[in-house]
Amino acid sequence: DAGITQSPRHKVTETGTPVTLRCHQTENHRYMYWYRQDPGHGLRLIHYSYGVKDTDKGEVSDGYSVSRSKTEDFLLTLESATSSQTSVYFCAISLTGGNTEAFFGQGTRLTVV
Amino acid sequence: SQQGEEDPQALSIQEGENATMNCSYKTSINNLQWYRQNSGRGLVHLILIRSNEREKHSGRLRVTLDTSKKSSSLLITASRAADTASYFCATDSGGGADGLTFGKGTHLIIQP
Repeated sequence: DAGITQSPRHKVTETGTPVTLRCHQTENHRYMYWYRQDPGHGLRLIHYSYGVKDTDKGEVSDGYSVSRSKTEDFLLTLESATSSQTSVYFCAISLTGGNTEAFFGQGTRLTVV
Repeated sequence: SQQGEEDPQALSIQEGENATMNCSYKTSINNLQWYRQNSGRGLVHLILIRSNEREKHSGRLRVTLDTSKKSSSLLITASRAADTASYFCATDSGGGADGLTFGKGTHLIIQP
């Protein structure tokens, strides 16, 4: 497996609370991504980063923010968790963006109650 | 919006048979990739085919791409129980940073 670690792996949180998911890589890849996976939807891009402090929105970014202060860390924050954000979240990294393979973390299962 | 759509959504075959999955997409692409996901795990890259390629092989995998029909197929030959997984196609249209657009996947079950 590529050196990607997501934490936590599982989390249950209450509606309205902030939640931060962490993605840590040891591969020194420039590009990092956050996806969510829901039944019937496949994977959808939330936010991505193309360098330290360089981030942009994906298809389903509402209610999420990200930060990347170091090459190796990409944080996803749910400002005020809602039940619709119950999902499995995947971090991915890529050396040169969408024209090369992406490596995925093991996922974080988040339940908002 | 979903770019790729896999077909069928689910496929069950006997071990040793070949499995074929199809992917259709909507807009022009730079490349198309296939990924496998075992239950409860992250996605694993299988193969990448660029828009100027028509066919690519990797071990028991064969991928074709028809840009005129905006479609791709993944063939797994001589299937094994360990091939049981979900398979996703993903396209890159942006040419760089903005990630991949995934289909909803085909769930493949190999019966022993």
